Amino acid sequence: DTGVSQDPRHKITKRGQNVTFRCDPISEHNRLYWYRQTLGQGPEFLTYFQNEAQLEKSRLLSDRFSAERPKGSFSTLEIQRTEQGDSAMYLCASSPPGLNSPLHFGNGTRLTVT
Amino acid sequence: AQKVTQAQTEISVVEKEDVTLDCVYETRDTTYYLFWYKQPPSGELVFLIRRNSFDEQNEISGRYSWNFQKSTSSFNFTITASQVVDSAVYFCALSEARRGNNRLAFGKGNQVVVIP
Repeated sequence: DTGVSQDPRHKITKRGQNVTFRCDPISEHNRLYWYRQTLGQGPEFLTYFQNEAQLEKSRLLSDRFSAERPKGSFSTLEIQRTEQGDSAMYLCASSPPGLNSPLHFGNGTRLTVT
Repeated sequence: AQKVTQAQTEISVVEKEDVTLDCVYETRDTTYYLFWYKQPPSGELVFLIRRNSFDEQNEISGRYSWNFQKSTSSFNFTITASQVVDSAVYFCALSEARRGNNRLAFGKGNQVVVIP
C-alpha cells in the first residue's frame, strides 16, 4: 500500500493560466474523490469517480473545472483561466467499495494564484 | 442536507491532560457513518475512527475514545493523556448511505495545541 500520491505538491500560477493536477489512488481502490480546502475550513467535496465514470459533481465545480479518470486508475483535475479565488489546497482521496469505507487522502496540491 | 458542526475552533491543553472534541451532525438519512480525521501540520488527512449509525456502542482504541449519541446527534471524540504529537486539526465527518457512495461532509475542524 503506497498510499495516495498527488503531483505537484505546490503550484504557483498567474491569474488566467490553466493548471492541471494529478492523483494516483491506492491501486485496488475503485472510488476516487477530489476535495478543496481553504485556510481554516474543512475539505469541501468537488467530484467523485467510480472507476472511470464521473458520478457526482458539486455545484462548487464551475465550468472552468474539469476532472477525468480515463482508465479508472489515475485522475486529473484541470482548472482553466485560474482566478485568485481558486487558491486552495486540492485534495484527492480514494477508497474501496463499501459505504462505510474510510477515504484515504493524499498530501494535496497547494495552488496559489497570483 | 447533511451538515457537521464543530463549535470549538482552537483548544489548548497541557501535555497529559485529556481533550474532548465536540461534533454535532444533521442528516435526514436513517443509515449514515461518522468519522474522525486528523490533519497534522504536514497536511495529510489521516483516518482515525468510524462509527455506523446503527451501532451506538462506544469504544476505546488506545488513547482515543468516542461517545456516539443518536438522541442528541453528537459524536464526540476524546484523546486521553495528550501528547505533543497530538497537536493537529481534527475533523468530524459524515457520509450518508442514500448517496450510494462514501462522500464525506466535513466540519470546520478543531485546532488542538498540546503544550509540553
